[in-house]
Amino acid sequence: AQTVTQSQPEMSVQEAETVTLSCTYDTSESDYYLFWYKQPPSRQMILVIRQEAYKQQNATENRFSVNFQKAAKSFSLKISDSQLGDAAMYFCAYRSAGDYKLSFGAGTTVTVRA
Amino acid sequence: NAGVTQTPKFRVLKTGQSMTLLCAQDMNHEYMYWYRQDPGMGLRLIHYSVGEGTTAKGEVPDGYNVSRLKKQNFLLGLESAAPSQTSVYFCASSSEGVWNQPQHFGDGTRLSIL
Repeated sequence: AQTVTQSQPEMSVQEAETVTLSCTYDTSESDYYLFWYKQPPSRQMILVIRQEAYKQQNATENRFSVNFQKAAKSFSLKISDSQLGDAAMYFCAYRSAGDYKLSFGAGTTVTVRA
Repeated sequence: NAGVTQTPKFRVLKTGQSMTLLCAQDMNHEYMYWYRQDPGMGLRLIHYSVGEGTTAKGEVPDGYNVSRLKKQNFLLGLESAAPSQTSVYFCASSSEGVWNQPQHFGDGTRLSIL
């Protein structure tokens, strides 16, 4: 199974500031997909952003963007202009092309200070 | 839109009791999954199904059984519950062959084994 590592158990950010969450993964595949999921206290798993490994351009969804470094096997998430509603646990996930399964990191808890 | 619905949302069991968790999806997805979420460990795949009548083992299958008699339903059974199975359980579903599409998650079931 692929290994996904999130080295930051917790991160804190001031409202309106920017926070970056790190994610690294281990794979020998060349074609795969990466995801960031958000889990607020309600426990829902909400897709934040996705990245196809064959695309060089970093994905962006409103205030959320990624820095995808394929050679370094790194997939960080940047949250800009942080809002109180961004407080949640964030999971990085990996899926190999042609495989049904997702491999998840352990998660990073983001706290937003008012 | 219901999406993925899990029943029940909470349950307390005594050691040795049995129970079944039900997952229902209304998106006509081929693939369905059961995960467990434990503190500091992210989500781990228990079992999955790639179509009606099929099941396969995931990362942590011991102590669980599953069935997919109907395409829209995926059942997770605990035959003899153990305290180590105290966890939050998530069901998810996804489309066939569309690898960049995310998995859609239910809201989770919090299960406590005393």
